[in-house]
Amino acid sequence: QAGLTQPPSVSKGLRQTATLTCTGNSNNVGNQGAAWLQQHQGHPPKLLSYRKNNRPSGISERFSASRSGNTASLTITGLQPEDEADYYCSAWDSSLSAWVFGGGTRLTVL
Amino acid sequence: QVQLVESGGGVVQPGGSLRLSCAASGFTFSSYGMHWVRQAPGKGLEWVAFVSYDGRTKFYADSVMGRFTISRDNSRNTLYLQMNSLRAEDTAVYYCAKENYDLDYWGQGTLVTVSS
Repeated sequence: QAGLTQPPSVSKGLRQTATLTCTGNSNNVGNQGAAWLQQHQGHPPKLLSYRKNNRPSGISERFSASRSGNTASLTITGLQPEDEADYYCSAWDSSLSAWVFGGGTRLTVL
Repeated sequence: QVQLVESGGGVVQPGGSLRLSCAASGFTFSSYGMHWVRQAPGKGLEWVAFVSYDGRTKFYADSVMGRFTISRDNSRNTLYLQMNSLRAEDTAVYYCAKENYDLDYWGQGTLVTVSS
């Protein structure tokens, strides 16, 4: 099953803003949006944002999600060392009847 | 609080079988769909299978269709993944995840290694 497309890596400085992208098609991201997950090395993924672009309880306001057409974005403001992690987008693909993930973006905070 | 605890992983030879379990607590298990997602060593996340809250609807990734079976026992608050005809490429950490529109809670995962 085809997945979503994410850049493999992004590097930004401390306290800067990072924007991660996730591109799909009209059957997945363009249909219901994409959720965002954060995964630190050796830990399970953690939901940062629902497909409706709202945050679960306890997630910092520094994380915000949006969508334009078939591309979803996660913006992280005021980067902190603990934001260094892998970030995945995910969506339900209505044509495949399958959940699809992006390949992940490794965020490095310099 | 929501807890998902996977078990049943281990080392198995190619062609062998394994059954994974995921014990759920802290929420009304019978009200939510559940997923299995895997992650090969050093790789990204790969969705494996979904089962609806009542067990009636199931979806599978093409890569496991016909070999893996997802099921649940709502009386035991437990999710299962029966894996048959295992291949080297099935080697991964297997996570169970709860769905509340999206996959909002994940277990710690259990490692499955397929090797001779």
